[in-house]
Amino acid sequence: GEDVEQSLFLSVREGDSSVINCTYTDSSSTYLYWYKQEPGAGLQLLTYIFSNMDMKQDQRLTVLLNKKDKHLSLRIADTQTGDSAIYFCAEIANSGYSTLTFGKGTMLLVSP
Amino acid sequence: DAGVIQSPRHEVTEMGQEVTLRCKPISGHNSLFWYRQTMMRGLELLIYFNNNVPIDDSGMPEDRFSAKMPNASFSTLKIQPSEPRDSAVYFCASSPDRVMDTQYFGPGTRLTVL
Repeated sequence: GEDVEQSLFLSVREGDSSVINCTYTDSSSTYLYWYKQEPGAGLQLLTYIFSNMDMKQDQRLTVLLNKKDKHLSLRIADTQTGDSAIYFCAEIANSGYSTLTFGKGTMLLVSP
Repeated sequence: DAGVIQSPRHEVTEMGQEVTLRCKPISGHNSLFWYRQTMMRGLELLIYFNNNVPIDDSGMPEDRFSAKMPNASFSTLKIQPSEPRDSAVYFCASSPDRVMDTQYFGPGTRLTVL
């Protein structure tokens, strides 16, 4: 079955880089997503990557995909206190009506 | 566009009462999803509609839960009777068409069953 695993907590200092890791088990995953959830709010899409890519950069965000190891990471450069939130990794298989499978989320705490 | 709208934002009820959560998806979106979020289980998909038709309801916990989508602009999730273990944040999300399209989440309804 599908499974997405993330570490539960990460603490960094303002200005440092943050790296949030995710592993998944479904080898047919075609799209992988990173969502951000701020306190009291819904999930907001940050970025996504297709499985035929190994890297995607979007301003301070860099997504790395190692398809062989089924490992996805999100790097946030120059982390700010406003980046403190829960980050969810999610994957979907390209098979008919497959739905998103979310990890349990990584809580990122950025201290000044 | 106002985004996905959910109501109420907070609901406190007593065990045994009926609870109805409401969702208005983004106009033009054809897929609608109901999720439940708890500390223990994370984010769980309850049910998914495409063009108002339920496609996958395998995540609905039990018969006490039911969901409807009478038209493209409105969906409800009903719990009857409610139990304390139903306490969670319930999210509605919509996406333009295909399942793999980006899902846009509503702000959620925080349900507390006493």
